[in-house]
Amino acid sequence: DIQMTQSPHSLSASLGETVSIECLASEGISNYLAWYQQKPGKSPQLLIYYASSLQDGVPSRFSGSGSGTQYSLKISNMQPEDEGVYYCQQGYKYPYTFGAGTKLELK
Amino acid sequence: QVKLQQSGAELVKPGASVKLSCKTSGYTFSTSYMSWFKQIPGQSIEWIGMIYAGDGGTGYNQKFKGKATLTVDTSSSTAYMDLSSLTTEDSAVYFCARGMGITYYWGQGVMVTVSS
Repeated sequence: DIQMTQSPHSLSASLGETVSIECLASEGISNYLAWYQQKPGKSPQLLIYYASSLQDGVPSRFSGSGSGTQYSLKISNMQPEDEGVYYCQQGYKYPYTFGAGTKLELK
Repeated sequence: QVKLQQSGAELVKPGASVKLSCKTSGYTFSTSYMSWFKQIPGQSIEWIGMIYAGDGGTGYNQKFKGKATLTVDTSSSTAYMDLSSLTTEDSAVYFCARGMGITYYWGQGVMVTVSS
């Protein structure tokens, strides 16, 4: 199985700050990488797909980049509603696998 | 708009089976994929498998083969997941989500609790 190593495990950011979350795949995944945001008691919401494509309705302060095995999610201008847990997920090879998650809090 | 409405919470006894449903609207169900996921509260997400509604073709995570069976009813635009021989390790929230690989819309999730 492809292992997805996400870092950091948690972070806190001030209002307006820019943060980045990293995701490392154990083998190349050809940009079949998605980022999801999950809030307590809710289902995950797709933010970014194919590494850098912004899902409809997602604010442009979210952006994704990367290739090969290394990917990142950047959140510019941190807002209170951005608090939650963020997951990366590879959709390249069965079984599709997720990172352990990054908990983002407002400082 | 796209909606995936999952059935309500389940409390089941060890050894029993349960069938979860995911009723969809707002898109063409019969030409779409549906994926299912498991999440133990406080933990990450696991992919269980997916089904193509057009022909019922399935793909499973080896870990869930024999545990989960995915089916669809195109007449009601509903996807189902049967979970069998339940143990306490199957207690979790289960999600359906439209798509394969990349999943664009998710159901609200259903809590399955396995307890005697």
